[in-house]
Amino acid sequence: QQQVKQSPQSLIVQKGGIPIINCAYENTAFDYFPWYQQFPGKGPALLIAIRPDVSEKKEGRFTISFNKSAKQFSLHIMDSQPGDSATYFCAASRDSNYQLIWGAGTKLIIKP
Amino acid sequence: DTEVTQTPKHLVMGMTNKKSLKCEQHMGHRAMYWYKQKAKKPPELMFVYSYEKLSINESVPSRFSPECPNSSLLNLHLHALQPEDSALYLCASSPTKVNYNEQFFGPGTRLTVL
Repeated sequence: QQQVKQSPQSLIVQKGGIPIINCAYENTAFDYFPWYQQFPGKGPALLIAIRPDVSEKKEGRFTISFNKSAKQFSLHIMDSQPGDSATYFCAASRDSNYQLIWGAGTKLIIKP
Repeated sequence: DTEVTQTPKHLVMGMTNKKSLKCEQHMGHRAMYWYKQKAKKPPELMFVYSYEKLSINESVPSRFSPECPNSSLLNLHLHALQPEDSALYLCASSPTKVNYNEQFFGPGTRLTVL
């Protein structure tokens, strides 16, 4: 019930394409869903986050789509660039709890 | 200032050494975290401090000893570590009222235990 399942494990996309990374959760008490971007040897950086009261949130080229009934959320990267090559983690938590439940991560490579 | 800083960036220590990792933030956050991250894995929560008090200890071995001297600083004291403790150690902070799961991470300390 505490798990967040992330897919795919790795993804290769041509520059300009739209990589999509998916996450699914079971615990309906989760009410905060962030995405983190991590470059090798660096700490995770908070990219974008969504709460269940909206179905989509966009920040620059990054969009989260949220499907509450399916208990799924996904990250879309528009006009992807080689500089977007990184590992992406989804996570979930309850507002009353400091703990983030992490997905396993997706290694994204954007080919020039 | 939206930055979490960590020192040192790299640390190599023997199994009998005592060392400390340091973390600092000036965002006014009153929750601070230590995570351990192994290669190709998500961060793994170790400790959470809320208002300078330890609120979560995820059953971490006693060879790791956290300390929160004030609201901006977080230390992790290391003693008698094992080679399997080699990892990237991450510090994070978050607000404690609105959006308090919005965690901001530092760059990490790469620890190697020989």
